[in-house]
Amino acid sequence: NAGVTQTPKFRILKIGQSMTLQCAQDMNHNYMYWYRQDPGMGLKLIYYSVGAGITDKGEVPNGYNVSRSTTEDFPLRLELAAPSQTSVYFCASSYSTGYSNQPQHFGDGTRLSIL
Amino acid sequence: KQEVTQIPAALSVPEGENLVLNCSFTDSAIYNLQWFRQDPGKGLTSLLLIQSSQREQTSGRLNASLDKSSGRSTLYIAASQPGDSATYLCAALQTDSWGKLQFGAGTQVVVTP
Repeated sequence: NAGVTQTPKFRILKIGQSMTLQCAQDMNHNYMYWYRQDPGMGLKLIYYSVGAGITDKGEVPNGYNVSRSTTEDFPLRLELAAPSQTSVYFCASSYSTGYSNQPQHFGDGTRLSIL
Repeated sequence: KQEVTQIPAALSVPEGENLVLNCSFTDSAIYNLQWFRQDPGKGLTSLLLIQSSQREQTSGRLNASLDKSSGRSTLYIAASQPGDSATYLCAALQTDSWGKLQFGAGTQVVVTP
C-alpha cells in the first residue's frame, strides 16, 4: 500500500522561482488537504478539496494555488517563491461523508527552502 | 476561532513510566478529536480518533479521553518504551469545518532507557 505519496522530498528554490509539489493517494479518498508546518508549530491548512473539481482555501492560502482534476492527485503550486514559504509541506487525505469522518492519512512531507 | 494548545512542549521520562499528554481546545463544538504521532523527518500517523459522543478510545497501550465540557483531551501511554519517543499532536475537527483539522503544536516526548 503506497498510501499518500509526495514528491519531491527536498527542494531548494531561489526567490521568485515557481514549482509544483506533487501529491497522490491510492486509497480512493474523497478529501485531500495541504498543510505547512513551521518549526515548533502545529500544522496549518493551506488548501483542501472535497472531491475532484472542488477546492477551497484554508487558513494560509496566500502565495499558493491548487487544482484537483482527479480523485488521486492534488498538486500544490507556488508561483513566486518567497522566503516566508520555507517550510515542510504535508499532503493528507481522508474518507468523509456527511455522517462520518475518518482519520487523515499523511504523506512524508516535502522540505522546501527558499533562498 | 478554535485554538488548540498542548502543554508541555517537551517531556522526558524514564522507560516504564506512564506518559500523560494534555490537549486543550477553546470551542467545544467539535466533531471529533484526533491524536497523531510524528517521527523526525516523517509525516503524521493517526493514533486514535474520538468522536464527540465518546468519552474515550483505546488501542493497545494507548488510551485517549475526551471531556468536551472542559475542553480537554488526554492521551495516556502505559509502560513507556524508548520506541515511544516522538512528537505527539492533537487536532480538533469542528462540526462545520468540512474536514478541516485545527492542530496543536505538539508535545515532544523522549523516553530514556
